[in-house]
Amino acid sequence: DIQLTQSPSFLSASVGDRVTITCRASQGISSYLAWYQQKPGKAPKLLIYAASTLQSGVPSRFSGSGSGTEFTLTISSLQPEDFATYYCQQLNSYPPFGQGTKLEIK
Amino acid sequence: QVQLQESGPGLVKPSQTLSLTCTVSGGSISSGGYYWSWIRQHPGKGLEWIGYIYYSGSTYYNPSLKSRVTISVDTSKNQFSLKLSSVTAADTAVYYCARDIPGLGFDPWGQGTLVTVSS
Repeated sequence: DIQLTQSPSFLSASVGDRVTITCRASQGISSYLAWYQQKPGKAPKLLIYAASTLQSGVPSRFSGSGSGTEFTLTISSLQPEDFATYYCQQLNSYPPFGQGTKLEIK
Repeated sequence: QVQLQESGPGLVKPSQTLSLTCTVSGGSISSGGYYWSWIRQHPGKGLEWIGYIYYSGSTYYNPSLKSRVTISVDTSKNQFSLKLSSVTAADTAVYYCARDIPGLGFDPWGQGTLVTVSS
């Protein structure tokens, strides 16, 4: 199995901050990585696929980068609606998800 | 656009079988090219993939749940279903169905349904 490790697990930040979440894979997965946002009581929402491609409708303040074993999700200027939990998913094999990063308001 | 909706009992007794159905609208399961997955989330925890089915009926399950899971498809109703046998309180979770796009990810998701295992 390919293991995904997200860091940090918890992140406290303020509106307007730039934040970065990292996802590391236990073995190379090329660019087969997706990112999701989940708000309380809601289903996850696909934000980014193929490591860096924004899903339609996702604000441009979100960006993804990386390949191989290290990936990042960056939010350039946090908005109030961005406080949520973020998951990475590798698309090479199953089971697929990282453990999540909870982004909280400072 | 494609939408998914889970349905089924919200309360299941221990040792019984959890049964859920996902109804797909706005697109046909039979069109191919996608897998149809079940994913669950224990209260306050992360996402756990349960398994997927292709319209042809081929399946793949999470090895940690494989002995208890059956996923089936009814293309005539545009639905796919989950059965999880011998449930315990540890199976209490929100269960989601989702379209699994190869190489892209899960999109869209159903809204999720909470299943509680309790006597």
